[in-house]
Amino acid sequence: RKEVEQDPGPFNVPEGATVAFNCTYSNSASQSFFWYRQDCRKEPKLLMSVYSSGNEDGRFTAQLNRASQYISLLIRDSKLSDSATYLCVVFSDSNYQLIWGAGTKLIIKP
Amino acid sequence: DADVTQTPRNRITKTGKRIMLECSQTKGHDRMYWYRQDPGLGLRLIYYSFDVKDINKGEISDGYSVSRQAQAKFSLSLESAIPNQTALYFCATSDGDLNTEAFFGQGTRLTVV
Repeated sequence: RKEVEQDPGPFNVPEGATVAFNCTYSNSASQSFFWYRQDCRKEPKLLMSVYSSGNEDGRFTAQLNRASQYISLLIRDSKLSDSATYLCVVFSDSNYQLIWGAGTKLIIKP
Repeated sequence: DADVTQTPRNRITKTGKRIMLECSQTKGHDRMYWYRQDPGLGLRLIYYSFDVKDINKGEISDGYSVSRQAQAKFSLSLESAIPNQTALYFCATSDGDLNTEAFFGQGTRLTVV
């Protein structure tokens, strides 16, 4: 089992719709969580950190569920420019490791 | 200009050849990293450096070596390239620990034939 798992997609979503995807992690000692965005053939860029209480940044909402060991990303009112691969990243202090998921591909259609 | 610059951007090399990938940054960060990305896999850490005198192995350091020539420069070498080192390589920097925001270069697409 991979330490960080994501549905690879692609998720094909019409413009304006709401889309959500999850990421599960196996190390219960994980302490820090992030979503990065990666456009095709480009470098990853931080989208948002994920806090225990959940956090929102404009149309994007991130949630953490420690009991079930997953984080989620919700995108409201999706735009064509949201098309990208979304990478889930988990950090564990105990073994000092940053583990990257393989990403979920999102395609927003007009 | 990009804050983190990688050269070359693309490279095709033959099995057994030595190749160096270079990374320079203007962000003033002490911490620098080399990752590789393969289809269907997450980014994997090859080496990281917390300052000029500090070099640490990452998850997949075998077959690679690094040099931190200055705060701003961190190079990755493949001493004898093999086909399964074909991948997209990223250099990154951060202002703090591994769990702080990483800033990536544009990547180097390496093909070993």
